[in-house]
Amino acid sequence: EVQLVESGGGLVQPGRSLRLSCAASGFTFDDYAMHWVRQAPGKGLEWVSGISWNSGSIGHADSVKGRFTISRDNAKNSLYLQMNSLRAEDMALYYCAKGVDSGSGTPIDYWGQGTLVTVSS
Amino acid sequence: IQMTQSPSTLSASVGDRVTIACRASQSISNSLAWYQQKPGKAPKLLIYKASSLESGVPSRFSGSRSGTEFTLTISSLQPDDFATYYCQQYNSHPFTFGPGTKVDIK
Repeated sequence: EVQLVESGGGLVQPGRSLRLSCAASGFTFDDYAMHWVRQAPGKGLEWVSGISWNSGSIGHADSVKGRFTISRDNAKNSLYLQMNSLRAEDMALYYCAKGVDSGSGTPIDYWGQGTLVTVSS
Repeated sequence: IQMTQSPSTLSASVGDRVTIACRASQSISNSLAWYQQKPGKAPKLLIYKASSLESGVPSRFSGSRSGTEFTLTISSLQPDDFATYYCQQYNSHPFTFGPGTKVDIK
């Protein structure tokens, strides 16, 4: 059974940093692309970042480019999102998500339950 | 690439045929997915490559493409289908979602 468990969310002041982690199990992690998707309270889905199986292809939403960095450690079956210079508009539930295949251009077939990031002074 | 969806809200009854439209601002080939999301839950993949049905998804769901216009059709709406539906393009970074279409009970 595919499991994606996010951690690292919490309350952070504007301008500070936070690192999200996602522990993956139940599938061969290094065979698949991975993504971060967020959803602000009461709002729609926003794709944040994606990374191919070997980190060779990485993309970020324009809203986070230069502030957020996605990475993965295939030896640890883990996905990360380093979030710097956080803003109030970054406040959301952050989902870790698995791509359908290895390449970067892939839809999402499994989602975690999300970790909540609150940005407030 | 900007994704638009219409309508934003749709009121329908059980048994109705429902159609949701999604438009891409430029060509995305057939790199489009449809997701269903219920309140408090993670989204669920319904359709990928514009018209391929994800395993385990009921056959009343179907997708189609005409150029940069995409359509999700539910042939006969069931009680479990009242939810919000999102399209997403994954042709090129950044992979954008549409704003969503909420299907509620008439």
